[in-house]
Amino acid sequence: GENVEQHPSTLSVQEGDSAVIKCTYSDSASNYFPWYKQELGKRPQLIIDIRSNVGEKKDQRIAVTLNKTAKHFSLHITETQPEDSAVYFCAASRGGADGLTFGKGTHLIIQP
Amino acid sequence: DTGVSQDPRHKITKRGQNVTFRCDPISEHNRLYWYRQTLGQGPEFLTYFQNEAQLEKSRLLSDRFSAERPKGSFSTLEIQRTEQGDSAMYLCASGFPAGQPRTEAFFGQGTRLTVV
Repeated sequence: GENVEQHPSTLSVQEGDSAVIKCTYSDSASNYFPWYKQELGKRPQLIIDIRSNVGEKKDQRIAVTLNKTAKHFSLHITETQPEDSAVYFCAASRGGADGLTFGKGTHLIIQP
Repeated sequence: DTGVSQDPRHKITKRGQNVTFRCDPISEHNRLYWYRQTLGQGPEFLTYFQNEAQLEKSRLLSDRFSAERPKGSFSTLEIQRTEQGDSAMYLCASGFPAGQPRTEAFFGQGTRLTVV
């Protein structure tokens, strides 16, 4: 089955700086890669996703890059703000949102 | 509220008891997913439905776990003879199948189960 590794487990950055979270996956048939943000005690919320026919996708301060050859994808957050503090999860699947395999999460801390 | 809703939000039960959780998906979504999340971990996929058909159940954690979606709308997840290791957050999500213009999964707030 699919295995998703996520790094780092904790990331602390100064407000205004950029943050990068990296994930690798093992199943070459995976074709859908979403990123979820989860605040303490709340539901995971989709912030951006990418499909395997695209190498990069951007939405305002958030971008995701995908390298299918190396089987890794990354989340980039620019101009970080205090409200970006949360746990971020990457995930992968073979078919849309069916049977997503999640990474263990990255606790992002934005220092004022 | 047009999001995914789950009931109850919290459940405390004694070891050995059966528990049942309910999920109401976003009304236009025909896919419904169940996940389990333990502290400090990402959600772990359990099972999913396309309308009333359960398409994947091999990843349910044991035969004590079962799920239904009898009319293709709400779903229930039942755990029989609960064990302390079943304590976790049980998340439900809904979405559209692969191949649709939008296939992302939207999660509910979850049901937090504590087995004492």
